[in-house]
Amino acid sequence: AAGVIQSPRHLIKEKRETATLKCYPIPRHDTVYWYQQGPGQDPQFLISFYEKMQSDKGSIPDRFSAQQFSDYHSELNMSSLELGDSALYFCASSSLTSTYEQYFGPGTRLTVT
Amino acid sequence: GQSLEQPSEVTAVEGAIVQINCTYQTSGFYGLSWYQQHDGGAPTFLSYNGLDGLEETGRFSSFLSRSDSYGYLLLQELQMKDSASYFCAVRATRDSSYKLIFGSGTRLLVRP
Repeated sequence: AAGVIQSPRHLIKEKRETATLKCYPIPRHDTVYWYQQGPGQDPQFLISFYEKMQSDKGSIPDRFSAQQFSDYHSELNMSSLELGDSALYFCASSSLTSTYEQYFGPGTRLTVT
Repeated sequence: GQSLEQPSEVTAVEGAIVQINCTYQTSGFYGLSWYQQHDGGAPTFLSYNGLDGLEETGRFSSFLSRSDSYGYLLLQELQMKDSASYFCAVRATRDSSYKLIFGSGTRLLVRP
C-alpha cells in the first residue's frame, strides 16, 4: 500500500539559510499535517491543511510557512534557520473523517550547523 | 490548557503483559489514540478509543474512561520488537481542530 512520502530524508543547512521540505500524502487523503520532533521529545504539531486550505495552526514560528498544492502535496518552507530548528520533521496524512488515525511519513532529519 | 501525562519509562520481560497509562486534561475531547515509535522511525497508529470501553487489536488493547479522563494501552505477550516509545494523543475538538496533541511518550524496554 502507498505510504506518505517525504523528501529529502536528510538535510544539512547552515544558520540563516532556507530549507524546503516536501510531503506527498497517501492518495485520497484530504488532510495533511506537519510535526516537529526534537530528540527525546514528543511530536509537536506545526500546521495542517484540509483540501488545500490551512485548517489549524500550532507552534509554528513566523519564519516557517507551508502550503498544500492542487495535487495535494505539501511543502514546509523554513527561512532564517536557527540551530534550534534541528529536528525530525514529520508529515502525516489522514482522511477528514478519521483524523485520529494519521499516517506518518518517514520524516526529514534537518541539521542546522 | 492541554496536557497529557504518561510514565516516562516502563520495563518488562518478554512474554509478560504491560499497561501504559495516560491521563489527559484538554479543552474538549474527541477521542484518544495510541501511536508506537521506534528509535529513528515514524509514529505508527496503533489504536483509537472514541467511546468508553476496551478496543482490542491482536496483542494490543486500549481502554478509555472519559469520566476519569484516563486511558491505557495494554500490550500482551511482549516481544523484543515491542521495545519502542508509545504516545497517547488526543484530538481536542471535533470540528475546528484537526491536530493531535501528543503526550510526552513512554519508553518501553522489553528484556529477555
